[in-house]
Amino acid sequence: EVQLLESGGGLVQPGGSLRLSCTASGFTFSIYAMSWVRQAPGKGLEWVSGISGGGGNIYYADSVKGRFTISRDNSKNTLYLQMDRLGAEDTALYFCAKAPSWAARAVYPIGDWGQGTLVTASS
Amino acid sequence: QSVLTQTPSVSAAPGQKVTISCSGTSSNIGNDFVSWYQQLPGTAPKLLIYDNNKRPSGIPDRFSGSKSGTSATLGITGLQTGDEADYYCGAWDSSLSSVVFGGGTKLTVL
Repeated sequence: EVQLLESGGGLVQPGGSLRLSCTASGFTFSIYAMSWVRQAPGKGLEWVSGISGGGGNIYYADSVKGRFTISRDNSKNTLYLQMDRLGAEDTALYFCAKAPSWAARAVYPIGDWGQGTLVTASS
Repeated sequence: QSVLTQTPSVSAAPGQKVTISCSGTSSNIGNDFVSWYQQLPGTAPKLLIYDNNKRPSGIPDRFSGSKSGTSATLGITGLQTGDEADYYCGAWDSSLSSVVFGGGTKLTVL
């Protein structure tokens, strides 16, 4: 069974940093492209970033480019999102997501989702 | 402002059929496959439709998808109260090199 467990969320002051982690199990992590998707309170989905299985291909939404860094450690089955210079507009539930089994190498479409970790940027 | 455009809300009675539309451009829907996601209240999204009209294992055939040009449609037949959820369309945008979503459509089953 695929499991994606996010952690690292919390309250941070505007301008601060936070690192999210996503621990994966139930599948061969190194094969699959992974993404982070966020959802502000009461709002819709916003894709944040994606990374290929080997880490060689990385993509960002314009809204986070230059502030967020996605990475992965395949030896630990873990996906990361380093978030710097956080602002109130980054307050959201952050979901870890994986590619579906029939399109493992592609960032899109998104197959399985974790339950999310909440990030709040506020003073 | 979402890149893909969806009607904010739709409603229908149990047992009826409903369609949810999604509009994009030649850089996204017009250039790639459309996917649909269902988000039940308080839960994570779930993949409902991929490659315009394919259903993952376990998704009932009451759910269907179609695409024409730069627009896509999700259809749900035999509506159930358990179908009340937010529905999002998604696509890859080749100009942005990113995944884009619609703003979501809230389905109410009266």
